[in-house]
Amino acid sequence: DAGITQSPRYKITETGRQVTLMCHQTWSHSYMFWYRQDLGHGLRLIYYSAAADITDKGEVPDGYVVSRSKTENFPLTLESATRSQTSVYFCASSESGGAYSPLHFGNGTRLTVT
Amino acid sequence: DAKTTQPTSMDCAEGRAANLPCNHSTISGNEYVYWYRQIHSQGPQYIIHGLKNNETNEMASLIITEDRKSSTLILPHATLRDTAVYYCIVRNSGYALNFGKGTSLLVTP
Repeated sequence: DAGITQSPRYKITETGRQVTLMCHQTWSHSYMFWYRQDLGHGLRLIYYSAAADITDKGEVPDGYVVSRSKTENFPLTLESATRSQTSVYFCASSESGGAYSPLHFGNGTRLTVT
Repeated sequence: DAKTTQPTSMDCAEGRAANLPCNHSTISGNEYVYWYRQIHSQGPQYIIHGLKNNETNEMASLIITEDRKSSTLILPHATLRDTAVYYCIVRNSGYALNFGKGTSLLVTP
């Protein structure tokens, strides 16, 4: 099925460990995004990418690293996980960066940092 | 991006039309109105968007007032699976979508 998939669906890790969340889309969309969703904060943009090898910071990028070597993949790495990074992480993609181009979201990764 | 105001919650009987209002009185001319919904434990699902004209797709209709200060999302025949939180978003060129608190729609048998 075409779409956007995230893995793993659930992840528990310890403080200080490195963890990578995967995102894959089959639409060949140019833009990809990472958001986190927390109670009381709604969705907040972490990083986005306009194309392969082009990434930029969003609202809350500290503690995260992204890469985009291939158009279809946009992994998010927490280099040294902290408890404050416990959250639900959503990846999204859109065909272009214009306001007329909707974002399509994956089903998320629920990350718990102990 | 302009802010939006939505009712906290709404009920709708299964099979009836669900009309979800959204106020966006400070919207500017180049901002689009988007609707998403989120069912528990799933990612936000895109429903529909528009700039000035009314729009319809296989999921819903979007009615935007002529002054663009408010809009209504219409689910023509609500089903139990439409129970979700519905978000009205006003978007310009930015990517940091402001989902706000949304409207919790409960569809009852």
